[in-house]
Amino acid sequence: DAGVTQSPTHLIKTRGQQVTLRCSPKSGHDTVSWYQQALGQGPQFIFQYYEEEERQRGNFPDRFSGHQFPNYSSELNVNALLLGDSALYLCASRVRGLDTVGQYFGPGTRLLVL
Amino acid sequence: AQRVTQPEKLLSVFKGAPVELKCNYSYSGSPELFWYVQYSRQRLQLLLRHISRESIKGFTADLNKGETSFHLKKPFAQEEDSAMYYCALNTGRRALTFGSGTRLQVQP
Repeated sequence: DAGVTQSPTHLIKTRGQQVTLRCSPKSGHDTVSWYQQALGQGPQFIFQYYEEEERQRGNFPDRFSGHQFPNYSSELNVNALLLGDSALYLCASRVRGLDTVGQYFGPGTRLLVL
Repeated sequence: AQRVTQPEKLLSVFKGAPVELKCNYSYSGSPELFWYVQYSRQRLQLLLRHISRESIKGFTADLNKGETSFHLKKPFAQEEDSAMYYCALNTGRRALTFGSGTRLQVQP
């Protein structure tokens, strides 16, 4: 089991563009959360998906949206990119019904907005 | 609102010295706290949680509700402990609020 996988590993975009990041959860996991980690900061919770619906959301604008597929994989979409969206985007997965101790993180996608 | 504060960006100690990484939290409910670690070129991973009251790799952390703290301690630091450490709070919404992290540097 490769654990949580994310693609791509790196991405460069320009302001105003749109980006889609992808996450495959660890085998057996059904819940996916996304975090944004700016340089020098800790991860910030964006939102969480299970049963193909957004269940919890952090303090992020509507430009950030997501999707979960029937196979539990997930996408994070960011529209109208701003310079400040440059960050490492982390995906974490767990089994719903268990506490966050079972949350496993992926390696992240590093997004640079020019 | 919930908040996690790690006051030190960098903590540098010599091998064999005691280590204490500070973490303070602000939360109106019953807190559930974790320490996560990120070694160089590796992904973020759970180190320990306060509920289990366990010792992992020689590290322990005690929740002090009176002082709203959850400091991470180890009596004798090893070079392989060098990493980035994050304190995190589960707010009950199954989302984690992280501190800004402390880089621990253990010198030989």
